[in-house]
Amino acid sequence: AQSVAQPEDQVNVAEGNPLTVKCTYSVSGNPYLFWYVQYPNRGLQFLLKYITGDNLVKGSYGFEAEFNKSQTSFHLKKPSALVSDSALYFCAVRGLRAGTALIFGKGTTLSVSS
Amino acid sequence: GAVVSQHPSRVICKSGTSVKIECRSLDFQATTMFWYRQFPKQSLMLMATSNEGSKATYEQGVEKDKFLINHASLTLSTLTVTSAHPEDSSFYICSAHPRLAGDSDTQYFGPGTRLTVL
Repeated sequence: AQSVAQPEDQVNVAEGNPLTVKCTYSVSGNPYLFWYVQYPNRGLQFLLKYITGDNLVKGSYGFEAEFNKSQTSFHLKKPSALVSDSALYFCAVRGLRAGTALIFGKGTTLSVSS
Repeated sequence: GAVVSQHPSRVICKSGTSVKIECRSLDFQATTMFWYRQFPKQSLMLMATSNEGSKATYEQGVEKDKFLINHASLTLSTLTVTSAHPEDSSFYICSAHPRLAGDSDTQYFGPGTRLTVL
């Protein structure tokens, strides 16, 4: 079965420092991986996805993610954190078939201090 | 990017009443929409897959007679919570993915509906 794990409930980082939010996956077949961000009482906003190709995927708001097949990881990164990046981040994997629902990790709260 | 709207954004109702939540894809067509439920500080749990012109597919443990889903057109799906109870209070989020070639995997989410049942 498809699944993703986010080992950290919360990540704290100072503004201007690099940030990493971790995600590992377990899939049958090729992985289709996603990162979304959720601000309080809002829906999810798409950040980036990995389908195939380069292992380093660039997304919205300066975020990027590195796909690592040997470590089955898809960590979200940003070189310099902003206070406005503080939010809840979800890693997700697509279901077995195209067009099926996403399966989400439990989420990681990112807190960026000024 | 693709935009999905939900209405209402917030609703408070009395126990025993029914509430309808609309999910619309504003600038794309979606043959499939998804309904999720999110409890405070928790992940999204898939409730059902809404298929245009056919019956919805419900996840295990979700009562189809309680959570009625209708996908009447390629841009609208509705979720009706029937005979609502306080335990139905939650944040309900819908999503859809465009029928466009090359973007069939990215899902776009609505802003969510906060349901409070008194």
